Formats: sequence, structure tokens, C-alpha cells
Amino acid sequence: DAGVIQSPRHEVTEMGQEVTLRCKPISGHNSLFWYRQTMMRGLELLIYFNNNVPIDDSGMPEDRFSAKMPNASFSTLKIQPSEPRDSAVYFCASSRMGTVLFFGSGTQLSVL
Amino acid sequence: AQSVTQPDIHITVSEGASLELRCNYSYGATPYLFWYVQSPGQGLQLLLKYFSGDTLVQGIKGFEAEFKRSQSSFNLRKPSVHWSDAAEYFCAVERSGGGADGLTFGKGTHLIIQP
Repeated sequence: DAGVIQSPRHEVTEMGQEVTLRCKPISGHNSLFWYRQTMMRGLELLIYFNNNVPIDDSGMPEDRFSAKMPNASFSTLKIQPSEPRDSAVYFCASSRMGTVLFFGSGTQLSVL
Repeated sequence: AQSVTQPDIHITVSEGASLELRCNYSYGATPYLFWYVQSPGQGLQLLLKYFSGDTLVQGIKGFEAEFKRSQSSFNLRKPSVHWSDAAEYFCAVERSGGGADGLTFGKGTHLIIQP
């Protein structure tokens, strides 16, 4: 079984550029979560989807952040425009509703 | 709102010694509790979980944790650590019992293993 797949593993961009992070959840999982990890704030839940529908985006820091899940096998997290304070590791995780979360390997984002 | 506290930012243990990582939670009902481990440059891997029943739960890699409702704690233990256990350990509580609302994580404990 393939796990949660995230791409790219590393992204380096300049301030003001658009960044798109991608996630493929585990087949059969119907919940998908985007987390951000920083030294200062730890792991923060940004947004989650159940059955492709966004349920809670209260963790999204600003309007510059948006997330979509067009189908059960793909989700994107977009930052436009990016800023240096967005530098972090972004994790995607998936689960069957009400059970354990499985995490991807993360995307290390550096905004210069 | 739920919260998780891991009081120890760093812990250093000698290889072969026992380990206990502390976790305290704040939650109004019966919590769903988890311990995850993160190796450098990797995602989080589930070590063990508590949903209900026996308060002592066994996990992978020889880890166990005990749920103590009276102390609002879910401490992680291992009788004898190995150098490969060096990693970051996260305690987490589900945001709403029985649902799929994601997890609230503690800030993590960095485990260092001395030879």
C-alpha cells in the first residue's frame, strides 16, 4: 500500500511568488488534513476535508492560503503571494473518518 | 478547547536505560489519545493510540503508554531504549471524540540517546 504522497519534497521560492503543494491521500481514506510545522508554533491544523468537502478552515492563517480537493485522490494547498514567514514544513495526512491519521513525508517550503 | 502539554522539550537517556515521556491533556470528555514519532526529515508515524478499554496500551517498537484519567495524563514508556529511538515524539488528542476533526498536537519532546 502506498502511503500519503506529497510533492514536491522541497520548494524554494522568492517572496511574492505563488506556491502550490500537492497531496495524494491513501486510497479509501475519506478525510484529508493539511498541517504546518514550525519551530515556534509546532504542528498546526490548517484545514481538513471530509468526503472532499472542506469542513474547517479556521486554521488557515490568511486569505493568501487556499486549499482544494477536487476529487478523493488529490488535494492542493496554494499560497499566493508567498512571504518569508510562510517558510515551514507542510504535512498532508489522511484517514478513514474517525480513525488514525497517516502522514506524508511533508514539503519543506523556503520563501526567500 | 482541547490542548496537549508535553513538559519536556528535550530528554537525554543512555542507551539501554528506561524512558518515560510525559503528556498531559485538557479535554472535557473521554479523549482519543495518540503518540506519534518523527525522525529527521520524515513525516509522523503512529506509535500507539488509546480510544477506550484497557488503560495500558501497547504500541510498535516496544513502546507502551498508560492513560490516567485522574491525572489527565498519557505518558509514553519504553523499558530499554535503542540508539534508533532518537527522534521527536508528539502526543496528540483528537479534536472531537469519535469524529474526524483532526488532532491537536503537543509541542513535542526531542529524545537524545547517549551511547
